[in-house]
Amino acid sequence: DIQMTQSPSFLSASVGDRVTINCKASQNINKYLDWYQQKLGEAPKLLIYNTNSLHTGIPSRFSGSGSGTDFTLTISSLQPEDVATYFCLQHNSGYTFGAGTKLELK
Amino acid sequence: QVQLKESGPGLVQPSQTLSLTCTVSGFSLTSYNVHWVRQPPGKGLEWMGRMRYNGDTSYNSALKSRLSISRDTSKNQVFLKMNSLQTDDTGTYYCTRDEEYYGFIDYWGQGVMVTVSS
Repeated sequence: DIQMTQSPSFLSASVGDRVTINCKASQNINKYLDWYQQKLGEAPKLLIYNTNSLHTGIPSRFSGSGSGTDFTLTISSLQPEDVATYFCLQHNSGYTFGAGTKLELK
Repeated sequence: QVQLKESGPGLVQPSQTLSLTCTVSGFSLTSYNVHWVRQPPGKGLEWMGRMRYNGDTSYNSALKSRLSISRDTSKNQVFLKMNSLQTDDTGTYYCTRDEEYYGFIDYWGQGVMVTVSS
């Protein structure tokens, strides 16, 4: 089974900061990596699919990059409404979530 | 519009069987895959299994011996049954969907909280 290692587990940043979250796969997953945002008490919401494709309605400050085993979610300018937990998900072989990154405002 | 809604008992006793229903609207179960994903309180997400558009199923290897997913296309429903429940099965259970060609999960239900306790 493919394992996903997500870092950091916790992140504190200021409004306007550039924020990056990483996911590393235990083996090559090609481009099949997605990112989700989950706010407290809500279901996860798709942000980015297949490494770098922005889902419908998602602000352009969110972007994704990477290939193979190493992937990054970037928020170019953090907004207060971005406070949430972020998860990665690989769907190259089965489905495996990363453990999550909790993002808070400094 | 696309909707998925989970339903089922909020409380299950240890060693008993959990039965959940996912009722979908706005899309066809014969065109999209439906997944079950769970989340223990305050923890991360775990993929449980999938009902493909053609009726095939696949399961998380860690849960495979306890888990069964089925469907009734005439009622637009997908079912989850998991036996031998323990306290660490407590959590929120979500049904989600993906389109076979693309593979990414795009819509989620609101989730249903299940507590395993005597």
